[in-house]
Amino acid sequence: GAGVSQSPRYKVAKRGQDVALRCDPISGHVSLFWYQQALGQGPEFLTYFQNEAQLDKSGLPSDRFFAERPEGSVSTLKIQRTQQEDSAVYLCASSPTSGPYTRSNQPQHFGDGTRLSIL
Amino acid sequence: DAKTTQPTSMDCAEGRAANLPCNHSTISGNEYVYWYRQIHSQGPQYIIHGLKNNETNEMASLIITEDRKSSTLILPHATLRDTAVYYCIVSGNAGNNRKLIWGLGTSLAVNP
Repeated sequence: GAGVSQSPRYKVAKRGQDVALRCDPISGHVSLFWYQQALGQGPEFLTYFQNEAQLDKSGLPSDRFFAERPEGSVSTLKIQRTQQEDSAVYLCASSPTSGPYTRSNQPQHFGDGTRLSIL
Repeated sequence: DAKTTQPTSMDCAEGRAANLPCNHSTISGNEYVYWYRQIHSQGPQYIIHGLKNNETNEMASLIITEDRKSSTLILPHATLRDTAVYYCIVSGNAGNNRKLIWGLGTSLAVNP
């Protein structure tokens, strides 16, 4: 399909395990965002890439969270030594625009997320 | 913290217009108003956005007040499939300002 694709759709892990969540953005989209959504809450920003550069990682909750986008397309969010409070839906979004000179700001397009459950 | 205030929930009869309000009194000059919705177990879906002029697309209309401190999303003929949580967000257009800061949204129930 032409939309943002995330895998796996569901992930169950035991506390202390490492997990890796994948995001395939829309082809050609420069900007990529990761968000975390707890049950009953709105999404919360984690990190932002412009091509392969991680320009903002201020939302990552701890140093156990790591994101990369080495070739400027596919991105991986890795969580090390998972804790129960990491249980959430992790959303990825992409957008075609970057920089301050766009005339009409383009929206972010979201995948359906990865639902992570830590036992 | 979210820069917007929305009612927690609303109801609408099927076939009628749904008018969802949003207050964003601290919006700055270069910030856009975005509306997204989220249907259960799906990712957020983009609806519409605007800067200062009213906007319309195939999904909805966006009315922004002249002082830009509030806006209204209008679904002209609501259907049962429009039942979702609707988020109003203000966001800039440069670098880190483009991250979206979400509130709790309005849970819209469209009733038959």
